[in-house]
Amino acid sequence: DTGVSQDPRHKITKRGQNVTFRCDPISEHNRLYWYRQTLGQGPEFLTYFQNEAQLEKSRLLSDRFSAERPKGSFSTLEIQRTEQGDSAMYLCASTGEGTDTQYFGPGTRLTVL
Amino acid sequence: GEDVEQSLFLSVREGDSSVINCTYTDSSSTYLYWYKQEPGAGLQLLTYIFSNMDMKQDQRLTVLLNKKDKHLSLRIADTQTGDSAIYFCAVSGTYKYIFGTGTRLKVLA
Repeated sequence: DTGVSQDPRHKITKRGQNVTFRCDPISEHNRLYWYRQTLGQGPEFLTYFQNEAQLEKSRLLSDRFSAERPKGSFSTLEIQRTEQGDSAMYLCASTGEGTDTQYFGPGTRLTVL
Repeated sequence: GEDVEQSLFLSVREGDSSVINCTYTDSSSTYLYWYKQEPGAGLQLLTYIFSNMDMKQDQRLTVLLNKKDKHLSLRIADTQTGDSAIYFCAVSGTYKYIFGTGTRLKVLA
């Protein structure tokens, strides 16, 4: 088991472009989380999946953001019409059945110019 | 709403003990966590404590929990330069974690 992986690790884009990030959780982990971390802050919760169902979304997740987990395995986070304020580290975490402990991936650092 | 607070900086000399503190407001948390983040990297789980415990020791790490005062601490014994990083405490909510702002630990050689 290689842990949670995220792709890409870094993304630089121009304002107004769309970007998509991918997260592969630890295999057989049924719960998957997305967080956003801005400079000097702790991670903030964005959204949560149990299997393929998106069960909760933070008010931080504006309508420009969409997340999917179509087969209950990997997940994608898309940001449409990026803004400079979207620049942050996007972290993915996963949890297995019967446990509360979240294991984090290395993150995708987004820079919007 | 839930709030988790940490001091921003801590500087210690190599070989000394480090104590990183955290206070929180949500008393319903089942587990409380400590994560380490090195520059440009994700969060590495260090240790956690169940809410009905007062103390947990794991090699050089000791976690103390005072539920009455809603205070959590992480002690790192024999701190090494490789321990320089940002340390986050996190409390578990219904389905998400609430993180503190992180404490930047600097270890002086």
